[in-house]
Amino acid sequence: EPEVTQTPSHQVTQMGQEVILRCVPISNHLYFYWYRQILGQKVEFLVSFYNNEISEKSEIFDDQFSVERPDGSNFTLKIRSTKLEDSAMYFCASSEARGGSAYEQYFGPGTRLTVT
Amino acid sequence: QKEVEQNSGPLSVPEGAIASLNCTYSDRVSQSFFWYRQYSGKSPELIMSIYSNGDKEDGRFTAQLNKASQYVSLLIRDSQPSDSATYLCAVRSGGYNKLIFGAGTRLAVHP
Repeated sequence: EPEVTQTPSHQVTQMGQEVILRCVPISNHLYFYWYRQILGQKVEFLVSFYNNEISEKSEIFDDQFSVERPDGSNFTLKIRSTKLEDSAMYFCASSEARGGSAYEQYFGPGTRLTVT
Repeated sequence: QKEVEQNSGPLSVPEGAIASLNCTYSDRVSQSFFWYRQYSGKSPELIMSIYSNGDKEDGRFTAQLNKASQYVSLLIRDSQPSDSATYLCAVRSGGYNKLIFGAGTRLAVHP
């Protein structure tokens, strides 16, 4: 069964460093997303991406964040200068497109980001 | 601010019983509703989606939607210890695809 994959599973970085989190969405899906979950808190939307551009972003997704689809399979989230409060689980998700069950989003296993 | 509310639990049910999980949402124009299961330290796993008023059944799971009351629920029949997890309600509103999640209800099924 197709699934979303993410690498690395755990990333430790120092405050102020840049990190890139990687995702491979399900192959026939057209919408890609990043969510994060701070320990003990809700899953929060960060950004959605369609047709090689951001379709929506949250207030959390400020200038320190960027997303890219560098090739036909990968989808990345870059945090330019990490802060302690960026420590969280970051989930990538994908969905087919608009309409009916295509709205269903499937999540990858997540990357645990620890900023020290 | 669009909100999705869930009772945090824990909801404790005996094995074989029906577990009933509830969710309310604030945005009247919400169109799509999802239930995810999340085991501790793992990612959300999609269980059910529902788009129209009424019931939708899939195996031991039944999702119920009442848009007039802005209420969605999940019933789990014949609950098993392996169902013990946090159940997340998620709502899609408007013309975009982003999901707004509730904080989740922790379900504990005891033998």
